[in-house]
Amino acid sequence: DAKTTQPPSMDCAEGRAANLPCNHSTISGNEYVYWYRQIHSQGPQYIIHGLKNNETNEMASLIITEDRKSSTLILPHATLRDTAVYYCIVRAPMDSSYKLIFGSGTRLLVRP
Amino acid sequence: SAVISQKPSRDICQRGTSLTIQCQVDSQVTMMFWYRQQPGQSLTLIATANQGSEATYESGFVIDKFPISRPNLTFSTLTVSNMSPEDSSIYLCSVPSPVYGYTFGSGTRLTVV
Repeated sequence: DAKTTQPPSMDCAEGRAANLPCNHSTISGNEYVYWYRQIHSQGPQYIIHGLKNNETNEMASLIITEDRKSSTLILPHATLRDTAVYYCIVRAPMDSSYKLIFGSGTRLLVRP
Repeated sequence: SAVISQKPSRDICQRGTSLTIQCQVDSQVTMMFWYRQQPGQSLTLIATANQGSEATYESGFVIDKFPISRPNLTFSTLTVSNMSPEDSSIYLCSVPSPVYGYTFGSGTRLTVV
């Protein structure tokens, strides 16, 4: 079973920040939080990942709570192209025997 | 990170026939994963394919229906056998990535009529 829970859908206005929450209350100490997104049923695309510190890259920011039981993906200036299903997944890094299990994800709609 | 070439990108097949999906990776990887995504649903792991050994199938998936080959460290195939309309889905392969967690192929959209 997926180890994360996400709201099924969200929307935001173009140009505004999109904040996507994820709960992972049973996360283990060596598990990272990964975010992927899937656009138009293409293969999922990596966005960002982190262990306990906040992370930022050219696509997004990841805020992880101090107890690591939840996180938020932030798209700072959402565009129409960011409309997609966003998946939050926890896994141990470089443990290739660890299966990547997808939850239901959050369907983000960016409105013009 | 590895680049995956997945073929075909889409196909329409008659019920009762079989389709083989190919995934070619541009680097050697120990494990490859096959997923199914039914319409409007999330991704479900079908099996893990190791080179030189039998694939490991998840609950609800069997080898007779979804035979997998893994002849070398850069290639794998998934066959969807004796297809029915319920097999209409997107099928994706994936490999572990040291940077991105996992890298995915672009998917095969299968329609069974």
